[in-house]
Amino acid sequence: TQLLEQSPQFLSIQEGENLTVYCNSSSVFSSLQWYRQEPGEGPVLLVTVVTGGEVKKLKRLTFQFGDARKDSSLHITAAQPGDTGLYLCAANNDMRFGAGTRLTVKP
Amino acid sequence: NAGVTQTPKFQVLKTGQSMTLQCAQDMNHNSMYWYRQDPGMGLRLIYYSASEGTTDKGEVPNGYNVSRLNKREFSLRLESAAPSQTSVYFCASSVSPTGRETQYFGPGTRLLVL
Repeated sequence: TQLLEQSPQFLSIQEGENLTVYCNSSSVFSSLQWYRQEPGEGPVLLVTVVTGGEVKKLKRLTFQFGDARKDSSLHITAAQPGDTGLYLCAANNDMRFGAGTRLTVKP
Repeated sequence: NAGVTQTPKFQVLKTGQSMTLQCAQDMNHNSMYWYRQDPGMGLRLIYYSASEGTTDKGEVPNGYNVSRLNKREFSLRLESAAPSQTSVYFCASSVSPTGRETQYFGPGTRLLVL
């Protein structure tokens, strides 16, 4: 069983600020995914990372996979109100999700 | 192309009642999943079907049964609903069950058990 811990649980920031959220485990991930979920909808995949040390960029979002493949981070530059949502990491080797970080970006 | 559809969107049950949640996908995916989402708990896997004709238990299968009716449809049944089953239920599908495939989620079913 691979437990995924996400931090912080809640984050409220002003538009234009930068932020980083984290996903950690005591076990090694074979691959890890980040999803975003908006209120009243199902999660939508943002990225999949598979290689230790990997960095992927998606516009203002930067995803990093730890060298040891036990942790990952999501950094958002110049956050916008449209970034508001629940960010979930998932270790899909056993289809397990973290509890998520609920981000609110205020205009 | 509707993706993953779920019915109903909302349901209120009394303790002990039964119901079936329906899920269908039109992406020709092999694998389908049922999750429940509770506040502060993230998504927890109830059951999954790696391919048509197979089903397996996930993290929280007690109190639920599933049927993979065909490649498109995967239903979740609550035989005797309990208040602890109040939750939002999501169905998802993917090309295959490997960890690198994208899971596509439906809009969810909000269930309240009184």
